[in-house]
Amino acid sequence: QSVLTQPPSMSAAPGQKVTISCSGGKFDIGKKYVSWYQQVPGTVPKLLIYENDKRPSGIPDRFSGSKSGTSATLDITGLQPGDEADYYCGTWDTSLSIAVFGGGTKLTVL
Amino acid sequence: QLQLQESGSGLVKPSETLSLTCAVSGDFIGNNDYGWGWIRQPPGKGLECIGIAHYGRATYYAPSLRSRVTISVDTSKNQFSLKLTSVTAADTAMYYCARHKSQVDWFDPWGQGTLVSVSS
Repeated sequence: QSVLTQPPSMSAAPGQKVTISCSGGKFDIGKKYVSWYQQVPGTVPKLLIYENDKRPSGIPDRFSGSKSGTSATLDITGLQPGDEADYYCGTWDTSLSIAVFGGGTKLTVL
Repeated sequence: QLQLQESGSGLVKPSETLSLTCAVSGDFIGNNDYGWGWIRQPPGKGLECIGIAHYGRATYYAPSLRSRVTISVDTSKNQFSLKLTSVTAADTAMYYCARHKSQVDWFDPWGQGTLVSVSS
């Protein structure tokens, strides 16, 4: 069971917007930065958002992140078929003293 | 360009020790701004951080694995290693190595991953 809670699956049509949530607690998201990773099936996880809301070079601005209190969200606008992937949130758990991930959200672009 | 590449045995017998190495190119593994982590993903499941090592500083392990895992950093070879003892079928997974940005806690880049199966 993951420390961070994400919806197992979401779906939306091309061109639409989707918001993936990541819920934690006062010892993890409540104290630390959140990152997001995209894993297209059969490939390596890729850093999508770091330090709550920053995008690495090469990540389109259709992807955005935010954090409030003990929760974080990943917004994807203008959905494309290539966005179909698993999305994971991650942070540091100060009580466990280890990095932790959410269980992942499988995004289907209909 | 920073690259990480895992190597090691892809098949381990139950109760034996899993050993993997991650070769780092494009950055010095002794860089104190970063840690070096192992993350695994069982087939069809999510990501689990096994541990993160820092050259000359603390090493952090997942509590559930702490009694069985050792991560070490070798600056002479610019690589770091994972040893997981007393493996069972539950340790079958894709194992990734990744660079961890200390204090702000993100992983990038990741290695290509290596599949380790535990079977007799």
